[in-house]
Amino acid sequence: GAGVSQSPSNKVTEKGKDVELRCDPISGHTALYWYRQRLGQGLEFLIYFQGNSAPDKSGLPSDRFSAERTGESVSTLTIQRTQQEDSAVYLCASSLGPAFDTQYFGPGTRLTVL
Amino acid sequence: EDQVTQSPEALRLQEGESSSLNCSYTVSGLRGLFWYRQDPGKGPEFLFTLYSAGEEKEKERLKATLTKKESFLHITAPKPEDSATYLCAAPNNAGNMLTFGGGTRLMVKP
Repeated sequence: GAGVSQSPSNKVTEKGKDVELRCDPISGHTALYWYRQRLGQGLEFLIYFQGNSAPDKSGLPSDRFSAERTGESVSTLTIQRTQQEDSAVYLCASSLGPAFDTQYFGPGTRLTVL
Repeated sequence: EDQVTQSPEALRLQEGESSSLNCSYTVSGLRGLFWYRQDPGKGPEFLFTLYSAGEEKEKERLKATLTKKESFLHITAPKPEDSATYLCAAPNNAGNMLTFGGGTRLMVKP
Protein backbone atom coordinates (compact mmCIF):
# COMPACT_ATOMS: atom_id res chain seq x y z
CA GLY A 1 0.00 0.00 0.00
CA ALA A 2 0.97 3.64 -0.20
CA GLY A 3 3.35 4.96 2.39
CA VAL A 4 3.60 8.41 3.92
CA SER A 5 3.97 11.09 1.27
CA GLN A 6 5.25 14.63 1.65
CA SER A 7 5.31 17.63 -0.63
CA PRO A 8 7.17 19.45 -1.86
CA SER A 9 10.30 17.32 -1.80
CA ASN A 10 12.44 20.46 -1.94
CA LYS A 11 11.65 24.06 -1.08
CA VAL A 12 13.94 27.04 -1.45
CA THR A 13 12.70 30.30 0.00
CA GLU A 14 13.95 33.70 0.98
CA LYS A 15 14.38 34.77 4.56
CA GLY A 16 11.19 36.30 5.90
CA LYS A 17 8.81 34.41 3.62
CA ASP A 18 6.19 31.95 4.85
CA VAL A 19 6.27 28.28 3.78
CA GLU A 20 3.76 25.46 4.00
CA LEU A 21 4.75 21.80 4.03
CA ARG A 22 2.29 18.99 3.46
CA CYS A 23 2.07 15.44 4.77
CA ASP A 24 -0.28 12.64 3.68
CA PRO A 25 -0.18 9.83 6.27
CA ILE A 26 -0.82 6.15 5.66
CA SER A 27 -4.56 5.58 5.32
CA GLY A 28 -6.09 4.49 8.64
CA HIS A 29 -3.25 5.78 10.78
CA THR A 30 -4.64 7.88 13.62
CA ALA A 31 -1.35 9.36 14.85
CA LEU A 32 0.81 11.81 12.92
CA TYR A 33 4.14 13.37 13.88
CA TRP A 34 6.44 16.06 12.54
CA TYR A 35 10.21 15.97 13.13
CA ARG A 36 13.05 18.21 12.01
CA GLN A 37 16.50 16.97 10.98
CA ARG A 38 19.19 19.59 10.66
CA LEU A 39 22.28 18.77 8.62
CA GLY A 40 24.45 16.28 10.49
CA GLN A 41 22.12 16.19 13.48
CA GLY A 42 19.53 13.85 14.92
CA LEU A 43 15.77 14.03 14.55
CA GLU A 44 13.98 16.58 16.76
CA PHE A 45 10.32 16.13 17.64
CA LEU A 46 8.08 19.04 16.66
CA ILE A 47 4.41 18.15 17.04
CA TYR A 48 2.07 15.18 17.51
CA PHE A 49 -1.55 14.64 16.45
CA GLN A 50 -3.66 11.77 17.76
CA GLY A 51 -7.16 11.38 16.39
CA ASN A 52 -9.34 14.31 17.37
CA SER A 53 -7.38 15.15 20.54
CA ALA A 54 -5.62 18.47 20.98
CA PRO A 55 -2.15 18.26 19.40
CA ASP A 56 1.01 18.11 21.50
CA LYS A 57 2.93 21.18 20.35
CA SER A 58 5.67 20.92 22.97
CA GLY A 59 8.45 20.48 20.40
CA LEU A 60 7.71 23.53 18.27
CA PRO A 61 10.80 25.78 18.52
CA SER A 62 8.99 29.12 18.26
CA ASP A 63 5.60 30.69 17.64
CA ARG A 64 6.55 31.04 13.98
CA PHE A 65 5.84 27.34 13.66
CA SER A 66 2.30 25.95 13.52
CA ALA A 67 0.62 22.82 12.23
CA GLU A 68 -2.86 21.65 11.44
CA ARG A 69 -4.42 18.32 10.67
CA THR A 70 -7.78 17.68 9.08
CA GLY A 71 -9.39 14.79 10.94
CA GLU A 72 -7.17 11.77 10.49
CA SER A 73 -5.80 12.78 7.12
CA VAL A 74 -3.57 15.48 5.67
CA SER A 75 -1.41 17.68 7.85
CA THR A 76 0.30 20.96 7.02
CA LEU A 77 3.28 22.47 8.84
CA THR A 78 3.55 26.23 8.40
CA ILE A 79 6.65 28.28 9.13
CA GLN A 80 6.12 32.02 9.15
CA ARG A 81 8.84 34.60 8.57
CA THR A 82 11.43 31.94 7.83
CA GLN A 83 14.96 32.31 9.18
CA GLN A 84 18.17 30.70 7.94
CA GLU A 85 18.26 28.45 11.02
CA ASP A 86 14.98 26.92 9.83
CA SER A 87 16.89 25.22 7.00
CA ALA A 88 16.52 21.49 7.56
CA VAL A 89 14.73 18.36 6.38
CA TYR A 90 11.21 18.21 7.79
CA LEU A 91 10.02 14.65 8.25
CA CYS A 92 6.48 13.45 8.79
CA ALA A 93 5.58 10.08 10.26
CA SER A 94 2.36 8.25 11.02
CA SER A 95 1.43 5.30 13.19
CA LEU A 96 -1.66 3.17 13.57
CA GLY A 97 -2.03 4.22 17.21
CA PRO A 98 0.05 6.26 19.68
CA ALA A 99 3.87 6.47 19.69
CA PHE A 100 4.29 3.02 21.21
CA ASP A 101 3.25 1.82 17.77
CA THR A 102 5.75 1.79 14.94
CA GLN A 103 6.13 5.13 13.21
CA TYR A 104 6.52 5.08 9.43
CA PHE A 105 8.29 8.03 7.89
CA GLY A 106 7.82 9.93 4.67
CA PRO A 107 10.70 10.99 2.41
CA GLY A 108 10.89 14.46 3.94
CA THR A 109 10.87 18.02 2.63
CA ARG A 110 14.26 19.68 2.35
CA LEU A 111 13.83 23.37 3.22
CA THR A 112 16.53 25.86 2.33
CA VAL A 113 16.19 29.44 3.54
CA LEU A 114 18.45 31.87 1.70
CA GLU B 1 15.32 13.54 30.77
CA ASP B 2 15.12 10.73 28.23
CA GLN B 3 18.37 10.18 26.39
CA VAL B 4 19.38 7.87 23.58
CA THR B 5 23.07 7.64 22.68
CA GLN B 6 24.58 5.75 19.77
CA SER B 7 28.14 4.64 19.17
CA PRO B 8 30.25 4.75 17.19
CA GLU B 9 29.27 7.84 15.19
CA ALA B 10 30.82 6.30 12.09
CA LEU B 11 32.00 2.82 11.22
CA ARG B 12 33.96 1.66 8.20
CA LEU B 13 33.91 -2.05 7.41
CA GLN B 14 35.21 -4.22 4.65
CA GLU B 15 32.64 -6.35 2.90
CA GLY B 16 32.16 -9.50 4.98
CA GLU B 17 33.58 -7.96 8.17
CA SER B 18 30.96 -8.40 10.90
CA SER B 19 30.47 -5.81 13.65
CA SER B 20 27.97 -4.32 16.10
CA LEU B 21 26.40 -0.92 16.62
CA ASN B 22 25.45 0.22 20.11
CA CYS B 23 22.44 2.17 21.38
CA SER B 24 22.25 3.04 25.07
CA TYR B 25 19.19 4.65 26.59
CA THR B 26 18.00 6.25 29.80
CA VAL B 27 14.24 6.02 29.51
CA SER B 28 12.25 4.98 32.54
CA GLY B 29 9.70 2.29 31.87
CA LEU B 30 10.86 1.53 28.33
CA ARG B 31 7.93 0.87 26.04
CA GLY B 32 9.88 -0.24 23.00
CA LEU B 33 13.19 0.39 21.30
CA PHE B 34 13.09 1.10 17.56
CA TRP B 35 15.77 0.70 14.91
CA TYR B 36 15.62 2.52 11.59
CA ARG B 37 17.83 2.71 8.54
CA GLN B 38 18.25 6.04 6.75
CA ASP B 39 19.77 6.41 3.30
CA PRO B 40 21.01 9.83 2.13
CA GLY B 41 18.15 12.09 1.07
CA LYS B 42 15.47 9.70 2.32
CA GLY B 43 13.30 9.28 5.37
CA PRO B 44 14.06 6.66 8.02
CA GLU B 45 13.00 3.14 7.09
CA PHE B 46 11.69 0.94 9.90
CA LEU B 47 13.76 -2.14 10.73
CA PHE B 48 12.87 -3.55 14.18
CA THR B 49 11.00 -2.98 17.41
CA LEU B 50 12.19 -4.63 20.64
CA TYR B 51 10.02 -4.55 23.75
CA SER B 52 11.73 -6.52 26.49
CA ALA B 53 15.22 -7.39 27.70
CA GLY B 54 16.48 -10.56 26.07
CA GLU B 55 14.40 -10.11 22.95
CA GLU B 56 16.11 -10.59 19.58
CA LYS B 57 14.92 -9.93 16.03
CA GLU B 58 16.58 -10.73 12.73
CA LYS B 59 16.26 -9.55 9.16
CA GLU B 60 18.71 -10.76 6.54
CA ARG B 61 22.19 -9.79 7.77
CA LEU B 62 20.89 -7.73 10.69
CA LYS B 63 20.09 -8.86 14.21
CA ALA B 64 18.87 -6.55 16.96
CA THR B 65 19.13 -7.39 20.66
CA LEU B 66 17.97 -5.61 23.80
CA THR B 67 19.18 -5.50 27.40
CA LYS B 68 17.88 -3.35 30.25
CA LYS B 69 20.23 -0.48 29.35
CA GLU B 70 21.22 -0.87 25.74
CA SER B 71 20.49 -2.38 22.37
CA PHE B 72 22.86 -3.75 19.77
CA LEU B 73 22.48 -4.03 16.04
CA HIS B 74 24.71 -6.83 14.83
CA ILE B 75 25.66 -6.87 11.17
CA THR B 76 26.90 -10.22 9.87
CA ALA B 77 28.99 -10.35 6.69
CA PRO B 78 27.86 -6.92 5.53
CA LYS B 79 27.60 -5.92 1.89
CA PRO B 80 28.12 -2.47 0.33
CA GLU B 81 24.34 -2.06 0.07
CA ASP B 82 24.17 -2.12 3.87
CA SER B 83 25.89 1.26 3.89
CA ALA B 84 23.52 3.76 5.52
CA THR B 85 22.91 5.60 8.76
CA TYR B 86 21.32 3.44 11.43
CA LEU B 87 19.13 5.19 13.97
CA CYS B 88 17.70 3.95 17.24
CA ALA B 89 14.84 5.61 19.10
CA ALA B 90 12.70 5.21 22.19
CA PRO B 91 9.24 6.60 22.94
CA ASN B 92 8.72 8.88 25.91
CA ASN B 93 6.43 7.80 28.74
CA ALA B 94 3.49 9.72 27.30
CA GLY B 95 3.84 7.83 24.04
CA ASN B 96 3.61 10.95 21.91
CA MET B 97 7.12 11.17 20.48
CA LEU B 98 10.31 9.27 19.77
CA THR B 99 13.67 10.37 21.15
CA PHE B 100 16.33 9.54 18.58
CA GLY B 101 20.01 8.84 18.99
CA GLY B 102 22.49 10.66 16.77
CA GLY B 103 22.88 7.65 14.50
CA THR B 104 25.77 5.50 13.32
CA ARG B 105 26.94 6.08 9.77
CA LEU B 106 28.00 2.71 8.38
CA MET B 107 30.20 2.45 5.30
CA VAL B 108 30.90 -0.98 3.84
CA LYS B 109 33.64 -1.12 1.23
CA PRO B 110 33.82 -3.88 -1.40
